[in-house]
Amino acid sequence: RKEVEQDPGPFNVPEGATVAFNCTYSNSASQSFFWYRQDCRKEPKLLMSVYSSGNEDGRFTAQLNRASQYISLLIRDSKLSDSATYLCVVNMDDGGSQGNLIFGKGTKLSVKP
Amino acid sequence: DTEVTQTPKHLVMGMTNKKSLKCEQHMGHRAMYWYKQKAKKPPELMFVYSYEKLSINESVPSRFSPECPNSSLLNLHLHALQPEDSALYLCASSQSGGINTEAFFGQGTRLTVV
Repeated sequence: RKEVEQDPGPFNVPEGATVAFNCTYSNSASQSFFWYRQDCRKEPKLLMSVYSSGNEDGRFTAQLNRASQYISLLIRDSKLSDSATYLCVVNMDDGGSQGNLIFGKGTKLSVKP
Repeated sequence: DTEVTQTPKHLVMGMTNKKSLKCEQHMGHRAMYWYKQKAKKPPELMFVYSYEKLSINESVPSRFSPECPNSSLLNLHLHALQPEDSALYLCASSQSGGINTEAFFGQGTRLTVV
């Protein structure tokens, strides 16, 4: 079983659309969850951290469901500039002294005019 | 300063060469990572250093040799690489443990082995 699994994508949506990505993780002891965004030929950049029951940042909402071991990312009112690959990242560290960030395969989003 | 700096940005090397990738951060992070990313694939973890000690080696071939001279620096020494090792090599750092483990990435070194 893969440690972090994401929707395969790609997602092609018009501007203004609402789009949601899901991600599941295998290690129930994982404590930290993140969404990263990666533009073509660039490094991943942190979009949002997801703690406890989730959080919102402008048009972006991240939710965590510990019982089902999944995380979601909702993007409202999509902009052309949202086009990127969205990576679900889980810290497989169970509270020890190190980080062990595992990436999902990523979901490509393309927002069209 | 939330920057992770990697050098060089691009590197072309022959299969008999020895080269090193360098990574530096001044955020006081005590965990540092090397990731390898092939085109259209997610980053794959190679090594994790925690408090300057190697804590994770994801079965990486010995032609890749990491080194952490101090808490701010991380090197990756390369020797006798193969063309299939061509990839983007990403360095990242994070606070060690706990919930604040967001990783900050450098811009990467794009390596081509010829």
